[in-house]
Amino acid sequence: DAMVIQNPRYQVTQFGKPVTLSCSQTLNHNVMYWYQQKSSQAPKLLFHYYDKDFNNEADTPDNFQSRRPNTSFCFLDIRSPGLGDAAMYLCATSTGTGDLEQYFGPGTRLTVT
Amino acid sequence: SQQGEEDPQALSIQEGENATMNCSYKTSINNLQWYRQNSGRGLVHLILIRSNEREKHSGRLRVTLDTSKKSSSLLITASRAADTASYFCATDELWGAQKLVFGQGTRLTINP
Repeated sequence: DAMVIQNPRYQVTQFGKPVTLSCSQTLNHNVMYWYQQKSSQAPKLLFHYYDKDFNNEADTPDNFQSRRPNTSFCFLDIRSPGLGDAAMYLCATSTGTGDLEQYFGPGTRLTVT
Repeated sequence: SQQGEEDPQALSIQEGENATMNCSYKTSINNLQWYRQNSGRGLVHLILIRSNEREKHSGRLRVTLDTSKKSSSLLITASRAADTASYFCATDELWGAQKLVFGQGTRLTINP
């Protein structure tokens, strides 16, 4: 089945220790998104790629970076995680045309100790 | 961009009852979508309604859209315990650059 996969599902990192979350998709979609979601809140868009074109949200901290080496994979790098970065990180994809329905992965729960 | 608003923030009903959630948004849109999120999981797309549509049905789901009031509602009929989840509306803004604006969500609990 075509899907969006996120690894790992749970990630524990130490304060200030760089961490990378990964996302892959078999949908061959043009657009990949990274969201941060804290408890009982809406997903907050961090950035997205349309193909190789990177689009950063204005309020995304510099601590968050992303890479998309090819159509299938996208990575979220947190350079120096703080306690406030503990959250669920969601990856999503869309075709980028038409109705923009998004397909979400199961998420990675990040804990910062 | 600013997020939309949903109400109620939380809703608790008995199994078999109908659940209604409302969403308001701020700008002109191409479409409005509803997503469900089970606890600790990703979001799942439920239904989409385009700006030129007023009502849409999918199984036990009924969505309405009033673009003059910039509001939408999601009705789940004959609720089941498995409907317990958070529900988010999301708008595809007219000049939104391939991204959605999510509402704050409604936490729905179905009591057996």
